[in-house]
Amino acid sequence: SQTIHQWPATLVQPVGSPLSLECTVEGTSNPNLYWYRQAAGRGLQLLFYSVGIGQISSEVPQNLSASRPQDRQFILSSKKLLLSDSGFYLCAGERDTEAFFGQGTRLTVV
Amino acid sequence: KNEVEQSPQNLTAQEGEFITINCSYSVGISALHWLQQHPGGGIVSLFMLSSGKKKHGRLIATINIQEKHSSLHITASHPRDSAVYICAAHFQGAQKLVFGQGTRLTINP
Repeated sequence: SQTIHQWPATLVQPVGSPLSLECTVEGTSNPNLYWYRQAAGRGLQLLFYSVGIGQISSEVPQNLSASRPQDRQFILSSKKLLLSDSGFYLCAGERDTEAFFGQGTRLTVV
Repeated sequence: KNEVEQSPQNLTAQEGEFITINCSYSVGISALHWLQQHPGGGIVSLFMLSSGKKKHGRLIATINIQEKHSSLHITASHPRDSAVYICAAHFQGAQKLVFGQGTRLTINP
């Protein structure tokens, strides 16, 4: 079955520092991959999605970027974190209408 | 526009009550997912539906394609069912999964 490994689970970073969150996929190939953010008390907001290596679509303008250097690797990055980047970040995948999810990363920018 | 709306946003009930959470979507879908998110944030996939009804234990999910509506039911609810329940739709012809805002369910003993 398809699984997503996402790390780290929690992260505390100072304002202005860089960010790199990574998720890797097992059990399938060529999935659609997604990065979502959930601010406190809010729903999941789509940040980026990718249908293949090097193909990234951005949903909202922001301080973040995403990359897909390999079929099963999806990375969320920032050069300089803002306080407003705090939240819960979730990596998700989809293949043949089956959806699968990472455990999420709770990011606190201080 | 591809949209997913859930109701209610918050639901509090007593242990043993029958629970219904609703999800409506705007246009045709190829699949709809019901997900459970516990306080730690991790998400578990409960059901994937494209038509009809599915049952797993005390959980039942139904979908009405004509009405563009799905429901998640919990029978004999228990405090451990307390979580956020999220529906997510894969719209026909679209390349992304769209999430509803979630329903926060609290079951009191």
